[in-house]
Amino acid sequence: RKEVEQDPGPFNVPEGATVAFNCTYSNSASQSFFWYRQDCRKEPKLLMSVYSSGNEDGRFTAQLNRASQYISLLIRDSKLSDSATYLCVVDSGGYQKVTFGIGTKLQVIP
Amino acid sequence: DAGVIQSPRHEVTEMGQEVTLRCKPISGHDYLFWYRQTMMRGLELLIYFNNNVPIDDSGMPEDRFSAKMPNASFSTLKIQPSEPRDSAVYFCASSPSVYEREDEQFFGPGTRLTVL
Repeated sequence: RKEVEQDPGPFNVPEGATVAFNCTYSNSASQSFFWYRQDCRKEPKLLMSVYSSGNEDGRFTAQLNRASQYISLLIRDSKLSDSATYLCVVDSGGYQKVTFGIGTKLQVIP
Repeated sequence: DAGVIQSPRHEVTEMGQEVTLRCKPISGHDYLFWYRQTMMRGLELLIYFNNNVPIDDSGMPEDRFSAKMPNASFSTLKIQPSEPRDSAVYFCASSPSVYEREDEQFFGPGTRLTVL
């Protein structure tokens, strides 16, 4: 089983739609979780950290489910500019060492 | 702040040649990471340093790959000899030292390597 698993997509959604991505992780000892965004032919950039209580940043909501070992990202009112690949990131047990998922590609269509 | 700087941005070389990728981390960051990204395998950690010392190189694919960090502002990743399967985008990232938790990693623009 991979350390971090994501559906690579692509997810094609119309503007204004709500879309959700899940990501599962295998290391039950993992403590830190993140979502990164990567635009085509660009470097990954931090979108948001994921806290145990869940957190929201504008149209984006991240949730953590430790019992089932998955994290989720919800995007409301999708914009064309949200089109990108969303990378799930989980700490790997080594200090400052993390594992990236393969990424889920989102395409928002007009 | 200039961010993480990588050079070259693109490299095309022939099989068997030596390739050297360079990285300048953000000033004051204690951690430096080298990643490789391909369509099939995604983003893979190759090696990372803390205060210029290699901490974990378990992701380095084989002896053809080597990385150094001679000082806090410079690191190299060398492939010798290069092979077509090394073709990928190589990212360097840095992060500050945050006690007891992982922190945001800041990525450079990457080096797109093509080995013919």
